[in-house]
Amino acid sequence: EAGVAQSPRYKIIEKRQSVAFWCNPISGHATLYWYQQILGQGPKLLIQFQNNGVVDDSQLPKDRFSAERLKGVDSTLKIQPAKLEDSAVYLCASSLWTGGDTGNTIYFGEGSWLTVV
Amino acid sequence: SQELEQSPQSLIVQEGKNLTINCTSSKTLYGLYWYKQKYGEGLIFLMMLQKGGEEKSHEKITAKLDEKKQQSSLHITASQPSHAGIYLCGADIGSNFGNEKLTFGTGTRLTIIP
Repeated sequence: EAGVAQSPRYKIIEKRQSVAFWCNPISGHATLYWYQQILGQGPKLLIQFQNNGVVDDSQLPKDRFSAERLKGVDSTLKIQPAKLEDSAVYLCASSLWTGGDTGNTIYFGEGSWLTVV
Repeated sequence: SQELEQSPQSLIVQEGKNLTINCTSSKTLYGLYWYKQKYGEGLIFLMMLQKGGEEKSHEKITAKLDEKKQQSSLHITASQPSHAGIYLCGADIGSNFGNEKLTFGTGTRLTIIP
């Protein structure tokens, strides 16, 4: 079974430029997450999708970050304009959604490393 | 303050020795996940615990969730170089079974020395 695919793996941009990251979740997984992991810290949730709807984007800096999942499958996370403090690994994750009383395994991709200079 | 506290922050262990990593919260943990991360790579799922008192093992790694569901431990027996990496605990603090949203600790960096 293919895992969560992300691209690009590495990106270096200058501050005030824009960047976009792509994620393709595991087939059949309705829930998709974008996390930001700054060096030395644990991942922090940016946005959670259920199919093509947003479940939680309370920690997404909406003045510069945007994300979409138009067809309920793959997703794009965009940063415009980038700041130095956006340097981090952007992790995409996916899980089945059951809505029941049992937990689901959340699988992560390899991550997209962003360096803003 | 962090909702999930991991300890220790780093650990250096001689190959073959046992070790324990802890993850603690002041809130009830409805789903507790352990992941391993190597530098430059994504998170590799290890185990998920849900019920108070639950314990799971995989190869030489055992994870437990206490009865109150506020603390979990990860124990590695007879450590090997392949165990080196960053161990992260993540938890669903909002009882969102089936639609989890994880909060993570800051991680424990494990180094294995020969």
